[in-house]
Amino acid sequence: EDKVVQSPLSLVVHEGDTVTLNCSYEVTNFRSLLWYKQEKKAPTFLFMLTSSGIEKKSGRLSSILDKKELFSILNITATQTGDSAIYLCAHYGGSQGNLIFGKGTKLSVKP
Amino acid sequence: KAGVTQTPRYLIKTRGQQVTLSCSPISGHRSVSWYQQTPGQGLQFLFEYFSETQRNKGNFPGRFSGRQFSNSRSEMNVSTLELGDSALYLCASSPVRRYEQYFGPGTRLTVT
Repeated sequence: EDKVVQSPLSLVVHEGDTVTLNCSYEVTNFRSLLWYKQEKKAPTFLFMLTSSGIEKKSGRLSSILDKKELFSILNITATQTGDSAIYLCAHYGGSQGNLIFGKGTKLSVKP
Repeated sequence: KAGVTQTPRYLIKTRGQQVTLSCSPISGHRSVSWYQQTPGQGLQFLFEYFSETQRNKGNFPGRFSGRQFSNSRSEMNVSTLELGDSALYLCASSPVRRYEQYFGPGTRLTVT
């Protein structure tokens, strides 16, 4: 059965810290790995990774995929209180060809 | 472009009733997927529609059904509601031949 596991489940840091969120996956028929940020309701799309070793960056956020070791990381540098959210990792593929989500990492950034 | 819209945003129903939720995708997106989000199970895939056809289906009972119209708008229906159906129901749309999905604000369903 396809699955996506995220760690840690929750994390508390102070503004200015750098954090690394982890996502490991066991899936059949890999197509892509996606990261989302969920603050109140709708998850908002951050990154999609399809090739191993290529880093995607957007401002203070970056992500990389390791297809050999079956994991991805999301880095956030110089964290701000506005980064407080649940970060979701999802795999697109599997037997049903849909997004399979991890349980998420709840990040709290204290002033 | 306007984002994905969902109606209603909040709903309270009684056990045994049925409910219909609506989703309008981003203009030009033809694929619509539905997810159920609960604190215990996280985000779980319900089904996906593309060009008015159900393309994929998750592991939910037959009480959960959906459809898509020619303008790509989608509805999902839950019949004979149970307490465990209380959840946030999210709709997402995606462009043709792309994997990323864009989510709507969700409908919060409470079953009493």
